[in-house]
Amino acid sequence: DTEVTQTPKHLVMGMTNKKSLKCEQHMGHRAMYWYKQKAKKPPELMFVYSYEKLSINESVPSRFSPECPNSSLLNLHLHALQPEDSALYLCASSPTGGAPSRGSPLHFGNGTRLTVT
Amino acid sequence: SQKIEQNSEALNIQEGKTATLTCNYTNYSPAYLQWYRQDPGRGPVFLLLIRENEKEKRKERLKVTFDTTLKQSLFHITASQPADSATYLCASTTNAGKSTFGDGTTLTVKP
Repeated sequence: DTEVTQTPKHLVMGMTNKKSLKCEQHMGHRAMYWYKQKAKKPPELMFVYSYEKLSINESVPSRFSPECPNSSLLNLHLHALQPEDSALYLCASSPTGGAPSRGSPLHFGNGTRLTVT
Repeated sequence: SQKIEQNSEALNIQEGKTATLTCNYTNYSPAYLQWYRQDPGRGPVFLLLIRENEKEKRKERLKVTFDTTLKQSLFHITASQPADSATYLCASTTNAGKSTFGDGTTLTVKP
């Protein structure tokens, strides 16, 4: 088990549905991330929150809407998705958003497997 | 943008041998490089991190090197075991905390 918890583990949704992915960590980390991973591909960065503020948006379509209600929680709201959005969505956290003087490894959850029909 | 190349999609070795995985970056020198292990259906798990001013880091049977001249990191697993079979990802991280991952190398250790 990881220290980053993602729910649900699996999600099937239609293209007209609205759903949310949730992520929680209690390690006191101040940076949280959303990554998307397609089969046999590396994780691709979508969003970074640092101290509860959005610091990086990798030109993600607006049908994906992130939210960071507090330092422990991260949500990803989904609306009007396309079948090509089907993937494993990974949440990660790190002590800080960068801090190269100390290094900030990412702690990943096990992801939500999303299927858009 | 940064491009990370891991030279082998798959690597098969015999138990007890040393596995060596390669990671090359093409543009700017990263603040640090990280290595992760990913098992099927699971999220990546952090293994080792090396900063741009470091040459080598070790942790138990793992060793990572960083050569800024060659723009390359090598990841070694000594005395490999079947349980080491997994996909290993290299990631380049900037000062802003943005990490770019390579495609990974799938290691299979045969008994």
